[in-house]
Amino acid sequence: GDSVTQMEGPVTLSEEACLTINCTYTATGYPSLFWYVQYPGEGLQLLLKATKADDKGSNKGFEATYRKETTSFHLEKGSVQVSDSAVYFCALSQGGSEKLVFGKGTKLTVNP
Amino acid sequence: DADVTQTPRNRITKTGKRIMLECSQTKGHDRMYWYRQDPGLGLRLIYYSFDVKDINKGEISDGYSVSRQAQAKFSLSLESAIPNQTALYFCATSGSTGRDIQYFGAGTRLSVL
Repeated sequence: GDSVTQMEGPVTLSEEACLTINCTYTATGYPSLFWYVQYPGEGLQLLLKATKADDKGSNKGFEATYRKETTSFHLEKGSVQVSDSAVYFCALSQGGSEKLVFGKGTKLTVNP
Repeated sequence: DADVTQTPRNRITKTGKRIMLECSQTKGHDRMYWYRQDPGLGLRLIYYSFDVKDINKGEISDGYSVSRQAQAKFSLSLESAIPNQTALYFCATSGSTGRDIQYFGAGTRLSVL
C-alpha cells in the first residue's frame, strides 16, 4: 500500500538557521503531496501542497517541490523562527481522494 | 470560535468504561474523520463518513464505533476502554470540493487507566 517516510526527529535549530525535513513516498500512480503542521496544543493544519510532478508548494516561507524521479517532497525554509517550532507531517492522497496517508511526523524546535 | 470543535479536550477514564468523544463543525463540510495520534506513529484513520448515511472503517477501527448524528456532528465511542487506547484523538472535516484538504480540531487527549 501507499506509505510516507519522513526523517526522524527531533530537530533542533537556532533562529535564522536553514531547515530541511526529508520526506519520501511509495505510491502507485500520481498522488498529491502535502505538508501539515501541528503547533503545540493545536490540531493539524495544511501548510502546503503539490498535485503533480515538479510543482512547488509554498506558504509562510516554507517550500517543497514534488520530485517524481526521487519520489520525494522535502520541506525547506531558508531562515526559521521560534514561531516555527511545531511537528511537521508529510502526507499523500491518491487522485484527490479524501483518504490521507501520513508520515510519522518530525518535531522541530527553534531556539532564540 | 473554532470551525471544528472537539469535546472534551482531556479525559481520564478507567479500563472497561464506555466513553464518547464528540466532534462538531461549522464549516458545512459533508466529510468527517476520526484519527488517533500516537508518539512515533503519526496519525492513523479510525473511521470516516461521507454523509449522515455513510460510515466507513479506517485502518484501525477495532474497539471503536461512531455515530453521525447530523451533517455537523460525528461522535467516536469506545465501548469498553482499554489502556492501549490511550492516545490523542483528532476529528477532521473536508468538503466535497478540495476534498483532499482536511481541517482538524484541537484534539482530545484520552488516558485509560
